[in-house]
Amino acid sequence: QVQLQQWGAGLLKPSETLSLTCPVYGGSVSDSYWIWIRQPPDKGLEWIGEISPSGTTKYSPSLESRVTISGDTSKNQLSLKLSSVTAADTAVYYCARGTLRTNDYWGQGVPVTVSS
Amino acid sequence: QSALTQPASVSGSPGQSITISCTGSSGDVGGYNYVSWYQQHPGKAPKLMISDVTNRASGVSNRFSASKSGNTASLTISGLQAEDEADYYCSSYTISDTYVFGTGTKVTVL
Repeated sequence: QVQLQQWGAGLLKPSETLSLTCPVYGGSVSDSYWIWIRQPPDKGLEWIGEISPSGTTKYSPSLESRVTISGDTSKNQLSLKLSSVTAADTAVYYCARGTLRTNDYWGQGVPVTVSS
Repeated sequence: QSALTQPASVSGSPGQSITISCTGSSGDVGGYNYVSWYQQHPGKAPKLMISDVTNRASGVSNRFSASKSGNTASLTISGLQAEDEADYYCSSYTISDTYVFGTGTKVTVL
């Protein structure tokens, strides 16, 4: 049984860099595709991007200039970095195993607030 | 990349069937058989219900079915139950080698 443990809440100031991790238990970060999704308060879902087992990444065009998704095999965890955040980046951030086309295990999500 | 268009809300009585539409373009829904559907209950992570237009995910009730015609995909819930009350999102692979979600539909069981 794969478990993705997301915890904590983040509070950032505008222009700072959001940095989230998603430790993987019961599986290997190098064996699967992984995705990050976000959901602003009371709004819909947004695909942030994905990383393949070989480390190839794809990003949402609207975030591509600010986002980096990576996998750390030594810690067996996913990472998401989003630079130059604004209030529009306030959201619950989810990690999941698979692609948006097909996936199975999801983290519980972590809320991130950007406010001065 | 614009979000796919879904109705904001759909409602039905227990036992009835409802259908949620998801309209895109030839660059996403119409061009690929990579439409997925997600269910999301309040405060919970999304759950994959349907992949590749018609394939039910493991453990998903056969009351959920889906199809596609042209640039519009559809999710049908038959024998509506109280537990089906949730938000539903479609998603599609796109010509840009990325993915896009629909705007989301709130399903209410009357």
